[in-house]
Amino acid sequence: GAVVSQHPSWVICKSGTSVKIECRSLDFQATTMFWYRQFPKQSLMLMATSNEGSKATYEQGVEKDKFLINHASLTLSTLTVTSAHPEDSSFYICSARSRNEQYFGPGTRLTVT
Amino acid sequence: AQSVTQLDSHVSVSEGTPVLLRCNYSSSYSPSLFWYVQHPNKGLQLLLKYTSAATLVKGINGFEAEFKKSETSFHLTKPSAHMSDAAEYFCVVSAPASGAGNKLTFGGGTRVLVKP
Repeated sequence: GAVVSQHPSWVICKSGTSVKIECRSLDFQATTMFWYRQFPKQSLMLMATSNEGSKATYEQGVEKDKFLINHASLTLSTLTVTSAHPEDSSFYICSARSRNEQYFGPGTRLTVT
Repeated sequence: AQSVTQLDSHVSVSEGTPVLLRCNYSSSYSPSLFWYVQHPNKGLQLLLKYTSAATLVKGINGFEAEFKKSETSFHLTKPSAHMSDAAEYFCVVSAPASGAGNKLTFGGGTRVLVKP
């Protein structure tokens, strides 16, 4: 149980375009989901906390207009990277909370050319 | 405020020998502590967690960690390394954050290399 999926697993896009990443909790409902970014050989940095039915809470230094988060249902949160640039290339990982424990998705590798 | 320091960015061991990954934390609250493993281009897998019960915590794949409050440490050990243990390991502390339930703070990670 407690499986979190992400789609796509990897994506390549051109600079200036937008990319949407989906995070789904497959066998449980998650009122809270989290989005992390991980640069090569670095740790995970929390970008934002997504609460179902309300606006996301962004960490300091994360542009909310660039990284749009929508948590429309108890099993789905989406992260849209708008007007992507090469410096946005990273590994994006979501996690979903269930009963005070967080379960992580497999990650999405974004490459912006 | 909370923070996590993993004292070694890289650890190299021979297969069959013990593994020690060091982690120190600071937290204003009684924390929960976790160790996660990440294989290349994969998500995170929970190895074990401490949540104020027994101070010696046993996890999956033969790993265990000991919570020492006096030393603010939560070191991860395994008696005998296997080639499949080669991965990145993260020590994580969880403590209350206003308006968002518990918030996870990640250490910098320790990359484990296992030599045959």
